[in-house]
Amino acid sequence: SQTIHQWPATLVQPVGSPLSLECTVEGTSNPNLYWYRQAAGRGLQLLFYSVGIGQISSEVPQNLSASRPQDRQFILSSKKLLLSDSGFYLCAWSVRGIDGYTFGSGTRLTVV
Amino acid sequence: GQQLNQSPQSMFIQEGEDVSMNCTSSSIFNTWLWYKQDPGEGPVLLIALYKAGELTSNGRLTAQFGITRKDSFLNISASIPSDVGIYFCAGLIQGAQKLVFGQGTRLTINP
Repeated sequence: SQTIHQWPATLVQPVGSPLSLECTVEGTSNPNLYWYRQAAGRGLQLLFYSVGIGQISSEVPQNLSASRPQDRQFILSSKKLLLSDSGFYLCAWSVRGIDGYTFGSGTRLTVV
Repeated sequence: GQQLNQSPQSMFIQEGEDVSMNCTSSSIFNTWLWYKQDPGEGPVLLIALYKAGELTSNGRLTAQFGITRKDSFLNISASIPSDVGIYFCAGLIQGAQKLVFGQGTRLTINP
């Protein structure tokens, strides 16, 4: 069966520090992968999505970047965090959008 | 871009009451999905709808794909405390690689 792993679960980082959040999927090949941010427990903002290795689409200009070095690995990064980067980050995967997304358990990021 | 208007934004009900929420759009969708998010967790898929007019149930939950393909609703019957959370609708446009999400309905149940 397919599973999605996202870590860490919580993270507290100082302003200006770098960020790396990792997401991996098991049990499937060629998934679509997505990064979402959720602020204040409401609304899912799509940040990036990828339909293949090295293919990244950015939805919102911001202080973040994404990479997909392997088929089932999706990484969210920042060189210098801002206070406004705080939020709940969710990774998700799908088979070409069919049957919806399966979400990871999320990372709570607090920038201090 | 495409947007989904989800309402209500919040609901405060008594345990045992029925709940109804809906999503509308100016765009036509080929798939409608309903998710539930518990606090501190990722959203979990509740019901998926693939045909206009389709009515699908999952226990106490019932969802319908609107005939016009521009709307969907979710009903919860006889609410219980574990129904608390945020419910999201989502739609998929044919040929698109990404879902469009509603803004969510936060359900609170008073004991």
